[in-house]
Amino acid sequence: DQQVKQNSPSLSVQEGRISILNCDYTNSMFDYFLWYKKYPAEGPTFLISISSIKDKNEDGRFTVFLNKSAKHLSLHIVPSQPGDSAVYFCAASPNNNAGNMLTFGGGTRLMVKP
Amino acid sequence: NAGVTQTPKFQVLKTGQSMTLQCAQDMNHEYMSWYRQDPGMGLRLIHYSVGAGITDQGEVPNGYNVSRSTTEDFPLRLLSAAPSQTSVYFCASSLTGNADTQYFGPGTRLTVL
Repeated sequence: DQQVKQNSPSLSVQEGRISILNCDYTNSMFDYFLWYKKYPAEGPTFLISISSIKDKNEDGRFTVFLNKSAKHLSLHIVPSQPGDSAVYFCAASPNNNAGNMLTFGGGTRLMVKP
Repeated sequence: NAGVTQTPKFQVLKTGQSMTLQCAQDMNHEYMSWYRQDPGMGLRLIHYSVGAGITDQGEVPNGYNVSRSTTEDFPLRLLSAAPSQTSVYFCASSLTGNADTQYFGPGTRLTVL
């Protein structure tokens, strides 16, 4: 049973609009959450993270929201750009020090149309 | 500074063959990991190492062996390949072991017939 789920395999958004990628988790022990971005033929790269003591973390155009009671997090990209087209993975961990205990979601392919 | 490099990029094996996927990093990172990515399932940890001479199993270790004789290299061995091992394999390294400081290699796409 997948402990981290991304229920939307793909998302298409117009350039300049907001992209919202969603992620749900089931394990209450998860305390640290991350988003990775992956281009074709490349490895994932870290994008943004959030600790469970926060409900929002912002980095430029990227904002991650965490709703612990709903066990839900989302990534907002505003404004979306064609270069944001990639596969986005959310991941969860018991804490930031446990890089070897990451559980990944299945990924959402984002397509930003010019 | 090449970062994390993986060879080969692509490989086709027959069932029962053995091979080694190579991973090297030039950032003097102590922590290294191997993941596999299957469609719709995200990345799953196979084995990891917290330093030369120290390795441990991840979520899906069966059918794979690792060793860490140097800080730079972390090869992944498939002793007897099976079709279920068809996947994309990623190696990652980290200086601190923190989840947000992992650098991933470009991956090896393996097909087992």
